[in-house]
Amino acid sequence: SQQGEEDPQALSIQEGENATMNCSYKTSINNLQWYRQNSGRGLVHLILIRSNEREKHSGRLRVTLDTSKKSSSLLITASRAADTASYFCATDAKNTGFQKLVFGTGTRLLVSP
Amino acid sequence: EPEVTQTPSHQVTQMGQEVILRCVPISNHLYFYWYRQILGQKVEFLVSFYNNEISEKSEIFDDQFSVERPDGSNFTLKIRSTKLEDSAMYFCASSEIGSRSTDTQYFGPGTRLTVL
Repeated sequence: SQQGEEDPQALSIQEGENATMNCSYKTSINNLQWYRQNSGRGLVHLILIRSNEREKHSGRLRVTLDTSKKSSSLLITASRAADTASYFCATDAKNTGFQKLVFGTGTRLLVSP
Repeated sequence: EPEVTQTPSHQVTQMGQEVILRCVPISNHLYFYWYRQILGQKVEFLVSFYNNEISEKSEIFDDQFSVERPDGSNFTLKIRSTKLEDSAMYFCASSEIGSRSTDTQYFGPGTRLTVL
């Protein structure tokens, strides 16, 4: 798989349910960042997790990072219709001179009322 | 809250024309970036810029592309002679200078470029 592959590609849930999205990557990283993109709009930064961190929380978001498996997950708890968007992981690879983010393919989340 | 801004939000141009996309990064940030997203595809890195010079560029960023920081606030991407395949959403981003492990990139809302 390519650097930064999310699964599932699409996820459809009901309001109040939890949504889990996964991301896999190939190279060693400095950090991994998750972004949200509403349809046709800009990228909103959600959370950054450093390579030496295993779990991080921000409000209803929980991110885990397993560097041995080169994978990360994003959990959104108690989802709302407003969470409907595409979610991308982006990695900052260690073998580059300056930070450049490599984005995954994204997970399209649909939260129905 | 400070944010990255981009103008215009949508640019339509004819093939072969030059376009300039404009960005105002967050004021205390020192690293600047351009990315693009072709419809339905991944967001792709184009170029990073620091201390008035390009720090890194991708294979996409060929001689048709150039970047400039013409003054203390703007950061521009110029496409010299647009092609149909340049049609995409172009995102500007900026980050503070700091640790590679903690530096967050903040993105602007994007400019949708349509080449006819």
